[in-house]
Amino acid sequence: DIVMTQTPLSLSVAIGQSASISCKSSQSLKYSDGKTYLNWVFQSPGQSPKRLIYQVSKLDSGVPDRFSGTGSETDFTLKISRVEAEDLGVYYCCQGSYSPLTFGSGTKLEIK
Amino acid sequence: EVQLVESGGGLVQPGRSLKLSCLASGFTFSNYGMNWIRQAPGKGLEWVASISSSSSYIYYADTVKGRFTISRDNAKNTLYLQMTSLRSEDTALYYCARRRMDFDYWGQGVMVTVSS
Repeated sequence: DIVMTQTPLSLSVAIGQSASISCKSSQSLKYSDGKTYLNWVFQSPGQSPKRLIYQVSKLDSGVPDRFSGTGSETDFTLKISRVEAEDLGVYYCCQGSYSPLTFGSGTKLEIK
Repeated sequence: EVQLVESGGGLVQPGRSLKLSCLASGFTFSNYGMNWIRQAPGKGLEWVASISSSSSYIYYADTVKGRFTISRDNAKNTLYLQMTSLRSEDTALYYCARRRMDFDYWGQGVMVTVSS
């Protein structure tokens, strides 16, 4: 199984500052179709998860451009520039390239 | 608007069975692969099972293989998860999510509690 290692496990950031979350996979996530199915999913307190980014760097509709995803093969990063109060919650990376689909353990973003 | 609405959860004794449903609307259900993903209380997300659009391809997590069965009825726009031989460790909020490889929409979840 592909292991997704997220760091840090928690992050405390002041409003207006930036935040960065790392996600490393135990093997390359490039699928046979040439695409890399690395997604970032956000869960605000008490809510169901919501996808923010798919295929490493593509933002979902309605997601502010303060969010960006980068990376390739096994190393990926989610960056949030100019953190806002609504960004409070848990961020998960997840891979959909190979079964079993696996998630990182999550990064809890707190507002300082 | 894409909507996924789970139902069928509840309190069940260990060893018993339960069947979850996920009613889809706002899109052509038969065109999309679907997933079940769960979240134990206070824990992270765990993928449970996936099914392709025509049910040709089905995948399970090792933790549920042989006990859970994913299925779908495209005429009813509904995804199912039949759960048997339930264990306390199956206690979780169960979500259905669209698109097998990149989970673009999620339901609000349904709670399953396995306890005597």
